[in-house]
Amino acid sequence: SQKIEQNSEALNIQEGKTATLTCNYTNYSPAYLQWYRQDPGRGPVFLLLIRENEKEKRKERLKVTFDTTLKQSLFHITASQPADSATYLCALDRGTYKYIFGTGTRLKVLA
Amino acid sequence: GAVVSQHPSWVICKSGTSVKIECRSLDFQATTMFWYRQFPKQSLMLMATSNEGSKATYEQGVEKDKFLINHASLTLSTLTVTSAHPEDSSFYICSARGQGAGNTIYFGEGSWLTVV
Repeated sequence: SQKIEQNSEALNIQEGKTATLTCNYTNYSPAYLQWYRQDPGRGPVFLLLIRENEKEKRKERLKVTFDTTLKQSLFHITASQPADSATYLCALDRGTYKYIFGTGTRLKVLA
Repeated sequence: GAVVSQHPSWVICKSGTSVKIECRSLDFQATTMFWYRQFPKQSLMLMATSNEGSKATYEQGVEKDKFLINHASLTLSTLTVTSAHPEDSSFYICSARGQGAGNTIYFGEGSWLTVV
């Protein structure tokens, strides 16, 4: 079965630096992969979607890459700010919009 | 953008009672809604998929008689936790998909359930 691995350890970085989060999956390559932000006690908020035929996707300070050979997606936040502190989840579509979520990586941006 | 609203945001109930959580799509018609459960520091786990006007499809290991899902209209799905026990305490999140939302999935804010 498909498994998603995200670094469960918290990532602390200094304000202004680029944060890079990793999402690895173990089985088939999904048609697309999504990244979400989740704040404590809140539902996930959609950030970016990247399709299997896309190498890279950008949105403002966010960048996502998708390497189907490595079975890995990287999520970058450039010029990070304390307000970017949250848990970031990656999700794969099992089909018909049924998502498998990773456990998320908690990011803390230090002022 | 599209908004999905959940109610209540948090609820405390006594063991053995039932509690209902509502999920509404506010500005689009949700042909499909999904219910997830998230325990602390764990990932979201899909419980069931509901399509308007038909029976919900439950994931393996989810008791359909315990977690009753009703998707009676294109803007409302409800999850009823029946005979709740403390182990049912969790964060329940719904998501909705519909043509009006460009086939994007939108998540609700979640509902905290504590069973005492």
